[in-house]
Amino acid sequence: QKEVEQNSGPLSVPEGAIASLNCTYSDRGSQSFFWYRQYSGKSPELIMFIYSNGDKEDGRFTAQLNKASQYVSLLIRDSQPSDSATYLCAVWGSARQLTFGSGTQLTVLP
Amino acid sequence: DTGVSQNPRHKITKRGQNVTFRCDPISEHNRLYWYRQTLGQGPEFLTYFQNEAQLEKSRLLSDRFSAERPKGSFSTLEIQRTEQGDSAMYLCASSGRDGGNTIYFGEGSWLTVV
Repeated sequence: QKEVEQNSGPLSVPEGAIASLNCTYSDRGSQSFFWYRQYSGKSPELIMFIYSNGDKEDGRFTAQLNKASQYVSLLIRDSQPSDSATYLCAVWGSARQLTFGSGTQLTVLP
Repeated sequence: DTGVSQNPRHKITKRGQNVTFRCDPISEHNRLYWYRQTLGQGPEFLTYFQNEAQLEKSRLLSDRFSAERPKGSFSTLEIQRTEQGDSAMYLCASSGRDGGNTIYFGEGSWLTVV
């Protein structure tokens, strides 16, 4: 079992729709959770982080964390073609390292 | 721009040669990380420095890989006797005391071993 799992996709949504990206993790000692966006050929760019159970909103992005279920998600409202990228879930675990999932490829169709 | 800086951005080398990458972190950040990323995969942790001390090193890091951060500022990652399997993007990242575990990546250094 991978430490951080994401559906690889590709996930396609029409412009203006809500994109929902999911991530599960295995380390119950994990403390903080991050979402990065990565355009093809570029390095990861931090979008959001979340430490506590519940929702955290930042503009069109909402991160959701459920530690009991070991689940974290990212919602993108009013999706735009410029949101088309790979979204990486990352977890800061008990080994004091940031561990990444393999990423979900999102395509927003105009 | 005071982000994480990496160079060279691209390196093509012949199998068996040595290569070195340099990383300059965000100036006030005391933690520096190296990751490796191959196509279709997320970044994989290689090693971590706090100031000049190398505190963590992945089992992925064979003895051909060595990293240094001599004065707690910039860092170098050297790969000796490169193999084709070393072809990847090498990412440097940094974080600071105030930022907790939030890390910021540089633009990456692409290595192609031919």
